[in-house]
Amino acid sequence: AQTVTQSQPEMSVQEAETVTLSCTYDTSESDYYLFWYKQPPSRQMILVIRQEAYKQQNATENRFSVNFQKAAKSFSLKISDSQLGDAAMYFCAYTRDDKIIFGKGTRLHILP
Amino acid sequence: GAVVSQHPSWVICKSGTSVKIECRSLDFQATTMFWYRQFPKQSLMLMATSNEGSKATYEQGVEKDKFLINHASLTLSTLTVTSAHPEDSSFYICSAPGTGSYNEQFFGPGTRLTVL
Repeated sequence: AQTVTQSQPEMSVQEAETVTLSCTYDTSESDYYLFWYKQPPSRQMILVIRQEAYKQQNATENRFSVNFQKAAKSFSLKISDSQLGDAAMYFCAYTRDDKIIFGKGTRLHILP
Repeated sequence: GAVVSQHPSWVICKSGTSVKIECRSLDFQATTMFWYRQFPKQSLMLMATSNEGSKATYEQGVEKDKFLINHASLTLSTLTVTSAHPEDSSFYICSAPGTGSYNEQFFGPGTRLTVL
C-alpha cells in the first residue's frame, strides 16, 4: 500500500528565512505524481507545487521548490524568503490515477 | 482555474437527523469525486470515491449506510450523513480531479458539521 510520511509535525522559521519540509513516500509504482498542498486557517486546500515522477528536474514555483529524490522516495519542499502568509498546514501527497493519499501534515509557523 | 464548491459551509443538526452536503464542480465535469473527513489538527482521510452513474467506492472502515453518496450528474455529488451522532461531527471536504494531464485535485472549501 502507498504511504506518505511527514516526520515534522511542526516547524518554525523566521520571516525572510528559508525552511525545508520533509516528506517520504512508499510505492512500488514507477509512474505517479507528488504534490504539496497548503491548508491555511480558512481550511481551503491550495496546491503549492506538483512533481511528475518521470521528470528528473525538480519543480519550482516562485519561492517554492522541491528536492525530488526518486530512488530514495523523498520529496521535500523548500520555502525561500518565508512570509507571514506562508503560515499554514502543509500536506505532502501522492497520487496515481485519481486517488490521492496525504501525509499527516506539518504545521509551519512564521516568526516575525 | 477549476472551481469546486460545497454547500453548506457549516451545519448544525440534532442527533438522529440526516444531513446532506453538496459538492459541485462549477466549470468542469467530473465523473469522479472524492469525499474526505478531517478531524481537528489532523490530515484528510479519504472516505469514498463517488462515481457518476455507478455506486460509490468506500474506503475500509467507512460505514456505507451511515455515509450515503450519490453522484447525480457530471457536476454534482452529495454526501448524506444519516442518523447523525455527535461523533460524526467533523470537517468534510470534497475534491474532483482536473481534466489536465497533471492528475491535480481541486478541493471544495469544506463543510463543518456539528451534531448536537
